[in-house]
Amino acid sequence: DAKTTQPPSMDCAEGRAANLPCNHSTISGNEYVYWYRQIHSQGPQYIIHGLKNNETNEMASLIITEDRKSSTLILPHATLRDTAVYYCIVSLYGGATNKLIFGTGTLLAVQP
Amino acid sequence: EAGVAQSPRYKIIEKRQSVAFWCNPISGHATLYWYQQILGQGPKLLIQFQNNGVVDDSQLPKDRFSAERLKGVDSTLKIQPAKLEDSAVYLCASSLIGLSYNEQFFGPGTRLTVL
Repeated sequence: DAKTTQPPSMDCAEGRAANLPCNHSTISGNEYVYWYRQIHSQGPQYIIHGLKNNETNEMASLIITEDRKSSTLILPHATLRDTAVYYCIVSLYGGATNKLIFGTGTLLAVQP
Repeated sequence: EAGVAQSPRYKIIEKRQSVAFWCNPISGHATLYWYQQILGQGPKLLIQFQNNGVVDDSQLPKDRFSAERLKGVDSTLKIQPAKLEDSAVYLCASSLIGLSYNEQFFGPGTRLTVL
């Protein structure tokens, strides 16, 4: 079973920041938080990952709370092409343990 | 860089028939995964290969599903015989292997409909 809880759906206005929450209260000390997204009729796509520090890349920012029990993925300026299902996953790091257990994710609908 | 290739993209069969899916991972990627995604759910890992060896097949229904990765490159997933509940998208993914996190790259999937 997935170790994360996400809202089933969210709306966001085009050009505004999209903030997607994720609860992972049972995360262990050596597990990372990963975010993937899946645009309709495509395979999932990696977005970002982190352990305890906030992370930023060209796609998004990841904010992890100090107790690591929850996190937020931020898309700073959402576009229509960001409409997708976003998956928050906790998993060990690297090597043969590169195993992802997907939940049902959050369907983000970006509105014009 | 070419992505993960899968074929066919769509397949319709009747129950009890057999079907096979093919995946060609990104060149140089040692790890290959097969996932099953039922409508409305997230992908579920069926089997993970590292080179041509199986790392994890705990979720593979071995009475009807089989997979192989000969020569450690491309892979085939087979269902024999198919059931109605096998209707799903079958996704293939690949990644490098190493001590750092290795992003999984997914193919477009094969949509299977069992009638």
